[in-house]
Amino acid sequence: KQEVTQIPAALSVPEGENLVLNCSFTDSAIYNLQWFRQDPGKGLTSLLLIQSSQREQTSGRLNASLDKSSGRSTLYIAASQPGDSATYLCAVGSGAGSYQLTFGKGTKLSVIP
Amino acid sequence: NAGVTQTPKFQVLKTGQSMTLQCAQDMNHNSMYWYRQDPGMGLRLIYYSASEGTTDKGEVPNGYNVSRLNKREFSLRLESAAPSQTSVYFCASRRGPDSGNIQYFGAGTRLSVL
Repeated sequence: KQEVTQIPAALSVPEGENLVLNCSFTDSAIYNLQWFRQDPGKGLTSLLLIQSSQREQTSGRLNASLDKSSGRSTLYIAASQPGDSATYLCAVGSGAGSYQLTFGKGTKLSVIP
Repeated sequence: NAGVTQTPKFQVLKTGQSMTLQCAQDMNHNSMYWYRQDPGMGLRLIYYSASEGTTDKGEVPNGYNVSRLNKREFSLRLESAAPSQTSVYFCASRRGPDSGNIQYFGAGTRLSVL
């Protein structure tokens, strides 16, 4: 059974800092890995998706990397802003013939002005 | 496009009552999913439908039933609600490998069972 772990559970940084969120998974037989953002009381917004054959994906100030062999992914946020404050969820896509996502419990990020 | 729409947004039930959570997507996606999110547990898959006419159990299916009414709609039914089913429920949809398998989520239904 795939298990996804996110460290740290919570993180507080001053505005302008660069930061890294970590995600690890136990089964390297994955199709892809997706990073989501969730604001309080809201649904999930997809930020980046990395296919298993890729090493990284970039969108604006966000960069996600994937090391499938070691079961790790990182989400790098450059020049953090108060608007980045949210919970970030890592989800691993796998399942031969019946694609499913397995989620980590998330990292709650607070960016202090 | 509205994306994934869930109704209702909030609901309070008494133990033993039944209700159906509705989900509809307008993106012509093949697959649809129901998750629940509980504090400290993350999102867990309840049921999914890989394509119209099929449904399968996820990690936590007990106490729930689903119906894939057509390609657009996927409903989740609680036949006899229990306090343990107090949670936030999310519906999601996915087109398939040609779109990278990205899942799109609704805004959620917040359910309290007293």
